[in-house]
Amino acid sequence: DVKVTQSSRYLVKRTGEKVFLECVQDMDHENMFWYRQDPGLGLRLIYFSYDVKMKEKGDIPEGYSVSREKKERFSLILESASTNQTSMYLCASNTRKTFSYEQYFGPGTRLTVT
Amino acid sequence: QQQVKQSPQSLIVQKGGISIINCAYENTAFDYFPWYQQFPGKGPALLIAIRPDVSEKKEGRFTISFNKSAKQFSLHIMDSQPGDSATYFCAASIETGANNLFFGTGTRLTVIP
Repeated sequence: DVKVTQSSRYLVKRTGEKVFLECVQDMDHENMFWYRQDPGLGLRLIYFSYDVKMKEKGDIPEGYSVSREKKERFSLILESASTNQTSMYLCASNTRKTFSYEQYFGPGTRLTVT
Repeated sequence: QQQVKQSPQSLIVQKGGISIINCAYENTAFDYFPWYQQFPGKGPALLIAIRPDVSEKKEGRFTISFNKSAKQFSLHIMDSQPGDSATYFCAASIETGANNLFFGTGTRLTVIP
């Protein structure tokens, strides 16, 4: 089974802190994604990566950066956390090698910024 | 701008009834339309998907109906069960590159016994 794990299920940070969210997948997938999920807004893409050291902005990249130094790991960085970044963060991965293009999601990290 | 519009926001159905969730899109380049199911405390998981070369796809109690001319697609859950209670997201993408998904806003389905 594909497994996508996220470093924390719950995280509480203070305004202005630098926050790291880590995601690891074990299926050798080329593509990895970071979304945030907010009630009434669905899932919105923050950044994605289609290869090691490659990254592309999604729909809402402002206030975020990412790092992909190894194929299995994709990190989301909040340079200076703000209260409007309180949200559920979901990581996903997929591969171009199969026909389905299915994205596999981790369980999410609920981040609260106070 | 929401690329995929989803309705209703919430839905309550009696056990054994039919649940229907609707989605609409504008970008005619979209060629892959999946539905994801999310239970509380879990990440979304692929439920069923359709490509625009067919008008309907059925997997067990779950059916996607696709209307290319109207740019609409819907999920039908037949004989709805309490275990189907979850949030459902429609999505759309163009099957190139990383296949970025554009998600709808979600529908919270509650099936009451």
